Amino acid sequence: DGGITQSPKYLFRKEGQNVTLSCEQNLNHDAMYWYRQDPGQGLRLIYYSQIVNDFQKGDIAEGYSVSREKKESFPLTVTSAQKNPTAFYLCASSTRQSDSNQPQHFGDGTRLSIL
Amino acid sequence: ILNVEQSPQSLHVQEGDSTNFTCSFPSSNFYALHWYRWETAKSPEALFVMTLNGDEKKKGRISATLNTKEGYSYLYIKGSQPEDSATYLCAFDLTTDSWGKLQFGAGTQVVVTP
Repeated sequence: DGGITQSPKYLFRKEGQNVTLSCEQNLNHDAMYWYRQDPGQGLRLIYYSQIVNDFQKGDIAEGYSVSREKKESFPLTVTSAQKNPTAFYLCASSTRQSDSNQPQHFGDGTRLSIL
Repeated sequence: ILNVEQSPQSLHVQEGDSTNFTCSFPSSNFYALHWYRWETAKSPEALFVMTLNGDEKKKGRISATLNTKEGYSYLYIKGSQPEDSATYLCAFDLTTDSWGKLQFGAGTQVVVTP
């Protein structure tokens, strides 16, 4: 089945450690997105990528990094510079909006906690 | 960052009753308004993408309307069922090119009790 796979489902980070969250899609979508959810808040955009080898910062990019070497993959690294990384992270993908205003498709998420 | 407001934050509905809730967004530079349903332990699922003022969309017992001039959208659930229990998210499309950069509201949590 086509969809978005995020791994791992749960992740623990030690102080000063970088961790990488995986996101893979087989929907042949050009655009991919990373969101963060905190209790009582809406999803906030961290980074997005419209095409391979290109990506842009979202509203809360500080302390995060991404890469887009393949169309199918958009990994997110939470660096030690992110001082409050405990949150739920969602990955999404979509086609170009000019193609009939398509919605975004989401993975199941990764919950990151600090040890 | 433009604010997208959803109200109420949560609501409890008796099975069989109908309900509705609101999403408010900046009315200027409107491109599209998305609605998603997010059930516990699942991924958010797209319900509607609405672009035209006066647009009405329907999916089963769920429908939505859009008023871009005043900046709001209503989502209606007719004859609520326990399986309608979820958090409903709306998102305002900030796109100035062809790509969906969305600003999400905090959601309305709906609990339908038998």
